[in-house]
Amino acid sequence: DVHLMESGGGLAQPGRSLRLSCTASGFTFDEFAMHWVRQAPGKGLEWVSGISWNSVDMAYSDSVKGRFTISRDNDKTSLYLEMNGLRADDTAFYYCAKDINPFGRGSTVTVLEFGGQGTLVTISS
Amino acid sequence: EIVLTQSPGTLSLSPGERATLSCRASQSVRDNYLAWYQHKAGQAPRLLMYNASRRFTGVPARFSGSGSGTDFTLTISRLEPEDFAVYYCQQYGTSTWTFGQGTRVEIK
Repeated sequence: DVHLMESGGGLAQPGRSLRLSCTASGFTFDEFAMHWVRQAPGKGLEWVSGISWNSVDMAYSDSVKGRFTISRDNDKTSLYLEMNGLRADDTAFYYCAKDINPFGRGSTVTVLEFGGQGTLVTISS
Repeated sequence: EIVLTQSPGTLSLSPGERATLSCRASQSVRDNYLAWYQHKAGQAPRLLMYNASRRFTGVPARFSGSGSGTDFTLTISRLEPEDFAVYYCQQYGTSTWTFGQGTRVEIK
């Protein structure tokens, strides 16, 4: 079974930074593109960012472009999201997810398989 | 950008009843590239269906998907207690990520 464990969330002030991590197991991590998806309180799912299996291709939603950076370490089977310039509207549960198809691009809109309970990011002064 | 509109917003049903959820796209979804997810509070979203009608690994047969073009349906033939959740559709036929706003299936 796919298991994804997100961590790194918490309370931060506007303008500050947080780094989310996602540790993966149960599949061959280095063969799959990975993505971050978030859910703000009372809202639906929103794709945030994606990275290809080999870190060559990354993509971001317009709402986070220029502020967030996605990365991965295949040796550690881990995915990261560096979040800078945080705003109140970044408040959300953040989930990592894998592409169901191998060797995908981070910029390809695809079908996602989730596997963790998410990590809560709260931005407030 | 394709806008996905799900209806109804909330579906109140009893265990054992049939649930029919709708997802309507503002324009045709290429190759019926539409997925359905189930999401319960405090849990990971769960992929149920992709390509509109293909059941993902491990998904019970009581879940089925249908539709094409702009109109898609997720049907749960007989609701089990664990099926009460929020359901989202998502299209992946374009280069822009879009999810529907969700349908909540609640216990009547």
